[in-house]
Amino acid sequence: KNEVEQSPQNLTAQEGEFITINCSYSVGISALHWLQQHPGGGIVSLFMLSSGKKKHGRLIATINIQEKHSSLHITASHPRDSAVYICAVLTSGSRLTFGEGTQLTVNP
Amino acid sequence: DGGITQSPKYLFRKEGQNVTLSCEQNLNHDAMYWYRQDPGQGLRLIYYSQIVNDFQKGDIAEGYSVSREKKESFPLTVTSAQKNPTAFYLCASSQPAVGRNEQFFGPGTRLTVL
Repeated sequence: KNEVEQSPQNLTAQEGEFITINCSYSVGISALHWLQQHPGGGIVSLFMLSSGKKKHGRLIATINIQEKHSSLHITASHPRDSAVYICAVLTSGSRLTFGEGTQLTVNP
Repeated sequence: DGGITQSPKYLFRKEGQNVTLSCEQNLNHDAMYWYRQDPGQGLRLIYYSQIVNDFQKGDIAEGYSVSREKKESFPLTVTSAQKNPTAFYLCASSQPAVGRNEQFFGPGTRLTVL
């Protein structure tokens, strides 16, 4: 069993829909990252959080440390949001452990 | 602009040849990392370096080698001992000392071994 599990693996939505991607982890962590990977392969960090909730534009990330669970929400989704979204947890030292990613496709 | 550069974006090599992937950062970060990404799998750590002249093996170091002679550079050599080298390789850097340890990623190099 992977230490970081994401669901769903694939998600297709219509433009304007509210989207939720989930991440569960089984190890102790000091922080959790949400990353975005576009088709060209480059990765951008969206959020790093260790408690509570963060918001940036249409993106919201939450984390529940007791339940070892985080969610990434996208409000008013747009085709340009289509990408792979990756959850990663910071465990010992500076090492990240990654989920397999969620492929999101938003259709116009 | 500050950032991480990887070159080239696409690289083709014949089986049995060693190949070196470049990673340079001008963020003044102490820590640098190499990851491998395969279809349907999460990123896996190959090697990491927390300071110049020091590096540690990650989860899948076999068949790879690195050096960290300069703070801004962390080249990865894929040797002929790596059984399945075709993959997407990502380099990253971070500054753990400031307590956030947010990792910044390069654009990646897609290696194809023919």
